[in-house]
Amino acid sequence: GAVVSQHPSWVICKSGTSVKIECRSLDFQATTMFWYRQFPKQSLMLMATSNEGSKATYEQGVEKDKFLINHASLTLSTLTVTSAHPEDSSFYICSARDYSNTGELFFGEGSRLTVL
Amino acid sequence: GDSVTQMEGPVTLSEEAFLTINCTYTATGYPSLFWYVQYPGEGLQLLLKATKADDKGSNKGFEATYRKETTSFHLEKGSVQVSDSAVYFCALSPFGAGGTSYGKLTFGQGTILTVHP
Repeated sequence: GAVVSQHPSWVICKSGTSVKIECRSLDFQATTMFWYRQFPKQSLMLMATSNEGSKATYEQGVEKDKFLINHASLTLSTLTVTSAHPEDSSFYICSARDYSNTGELFFGEGSRLTVL
Repeated sequence: GDSVTQMEGPVTLSEEAFLTINCTYTATGYPSLFWYVQYPGEGLQLLLKATKADDKGSNKGFEATYRKETTSFHLEKGSVQVSDSAVYFCALSPFGAGGTSYGKLTFGQGTILTVHP
């Protein structure tokens, strides 16, 4: 089946630095990708909808200046956590829908961010 | 707003035992319902889905029936295997499968299942 890949799978950074996480659809084009955040022992929370060639749509309560999303091509969306702080430490997961085939939603394996 | 509540885990079973993971939801309209599974080190994978009331989704021996009257979508398997050990997420989409907002899922908190030989 279709594959969505995230990179890096884990990252540790110092407080105040910025971290970029990539989400790629490997064998299909994704005009829309979704970014989720998961806290330990909690459910996935939708952060934003990433639209190719246009601005992302953020969910209520998500700081767009903190979590920059860029969807520059049909196979790549990036999430940049700017000026990271320890409270940004979390598991970030992206997903993309394969409209060309079954329409099924595919998820990346997730990226664990730890901010020291 | 929409919400999904799953039974808390972890759930520990012996091989060939019967599995039930409860899931109830709150939503307006007619949501689609899903079960996703996450194996260690992998991304979430769709296990099964149901898009309207009384539909039964099934896959790999797992089943779940969309019960609108009880707003539930409980996951069941008659005989679990060690390879079923994973985290299971119940989720809903507020629109039908063809909706453009189909990817905006609301998830339950996940249930860790461990199956021992």
